[in-house]
Amino acid sequence: KNQVEQSPQSLIILEGKNCTLQCNYTVSPFSNLRWYKQDTGRGPVSLTIMTFSENTKSNGRYTATLDADTKQSSLHITASQLSDSASYICVVSSQYDYKLSFGAGTTVTVRA
Amino acid sequence: GAVVSQHPSWVICKSGTSVKIECRSLDFQATTMFWYRQFPKQSLMLMATSNEGSKATYEQGVEKDKFLINHASLTLSTLTVTSAHPEDSSFYICSMDRAKGDNEQFFGPGTRLTVL
Repeated sequence: KNQVEQSPQSLIILEGKNCTLQCNYTVSPFSNLRWYKQDTGRGPVSLTIMTFSENTKSNGRYTATLDADTKQSSLHITASQLSDSASYICVVSSQYDYKLSFGAGTTVTVRA
Repeated sequence: GAVVSQHPSWVICKSGTSVKIECRSLDFQATTMFWYRQFPKQSLMLMATSNEGSKATYEQGVEKDKFLINHASLTLSTLTVTSAHPEDSSFYICSMDRAKGDNEQFFGPGTRLTVL
C-alpha cells in the first residue's frame, strides 16, 4: 500500500527562524513528489515538484530535498514569516496510478 | 495559469436538502477531475474521479447515489450532495489534471459545507 508519512504533526516557531519538515514515503514506482501549502479554509497550493533525478528544488524561502534511495524528502523554510503559518502537505505520485498519495500534513504556526 | 475556481466557497443548509458545488478551470481544459473531502486536521481524501463524458469512478465507501458528480465539460464539474446530513459537513475540494503526463493536479479553493 502506498503511504506517505509526515513529521512533525505540528510545530511552532518564532518569526525569522528556520524550520524543516520531513516526509517519508513508500510509493512505488515513484514518479514525483510535491510539497503543497494549504492555508486554513483554502485549497492546497503547489510549492515544489521533484522527479526522481532531482535532489533539491527551491521556491523563494522554501527549499525541498529528495532522496529517492531512502524515499525521504524534506521542506526547509528559511526566515519564517507570519504568512507561513499553514499546513504543509507532502504528496507523492506513482508512475502507474493517477491517484495521488497524501501525507497528513504538518501544521506550522509562526509567532511574532 | 492553471487556475481552478469553486462555487460557493461556503454553504449552510438544512438536513435533508441537496447542495450543488461547482468546479471550473479558468484557463485550461481538464481531461480528468477529482473531488476530495477533508475533515478537520486530516488530509485530503479522494472521493471520486471523473472524465468528461463518462461516469465517475467512486472510491470505496463513497456512496455514488449520495454524491452525484457531473463532468459537464472539459472546464466544469459539479458535485451534488443529496439529502445532506450533519455528518456530510466537511471541506470539499476539487482538482483538475491538464493531462500533461506528470499527474499534476491543480486544486480549487474548496467549499465549506455545514449541514444543520
